[in-house]
Amino acid sequence: QKEVEQNSGPLSVPEGAIASLNCTYSDRGSQSFFWYRQYSGKSPELIMFIYSNGDKEDGRFTAQLNKASQYVSLLIRDSQPSDSATYLCAVTHTDKLIFGTGTRLQVFP
Amino acid sequence: SAVISQKPSRDICQRGTSLTIQCQVDSQVTMMFWYRQQPGQSLTLIATANQGSEATYESGFVIDKFPISRPNLTFSTLTVSNMSPEDSSIYLCSAASGDNYGYTFGSGTRLTVV
Repeated sequence: QKEVEQNSGPLSVPEGAIASLNCTYSDRGSQSFFWYRQYSGKSPELIMFIYSNGDKEDGRFTAQLNKASQYVSLLIRDSQPSDSATYLCAVTHTDKLIFGTGTRLQVFP
Repeated sequence: SAVISQKPSRDICQRGTSLTIQCQVDSQVTMMFWYRQQPGQSLTLIATANQGSEATYESGFVIDKFPISRPNLTFSTLTVSNMSPEDSSIYLCSAASGDNYGYTFGSGTRLTVV
């Protein structure tokens, strides 16, 4: 069974701080890695995707990938209360997207 | 990325009955998937909907319980059959265009079985 692991949280950070979300995966054959944000009662919304080792930045978000360590992370700079949500890490296994358990982020004013 | 219309958005059903959920994509996509999200949990893949052939089911999910159709590259249905309260969940369809630019989701169907 291919697995994607995340700390369920909640991760609590003050407004303006950097939130760091982590994910590990078991399938060394995974090629694509995604971060989704899910607000309560809503469907997942794609934030970032990354395919190559290293960092990828998009606005306040930075995704980091280390395939040797089978590790992917998401950094959220200048966290806002509106960032409070569950963040889902997902990796591809063949063409299927397998999700982690999600990390609940709480940003307090 | 593709936009997916999913319906119904919610339903309350009697045990023993069946519900069919529909997903319509605004463009042709190579892959469509069905997920279940139980309360407070992450997404679990039910099956891959294959155009023109039988769906590919994940471990723990069977065709008799979750029959899936995909008659073309823009439409798919999932039926939850002979429902029990344990089937109460959110069901989500997802589509990917094959260019690795993310998998988008429908708005979900919140199913309650009483």
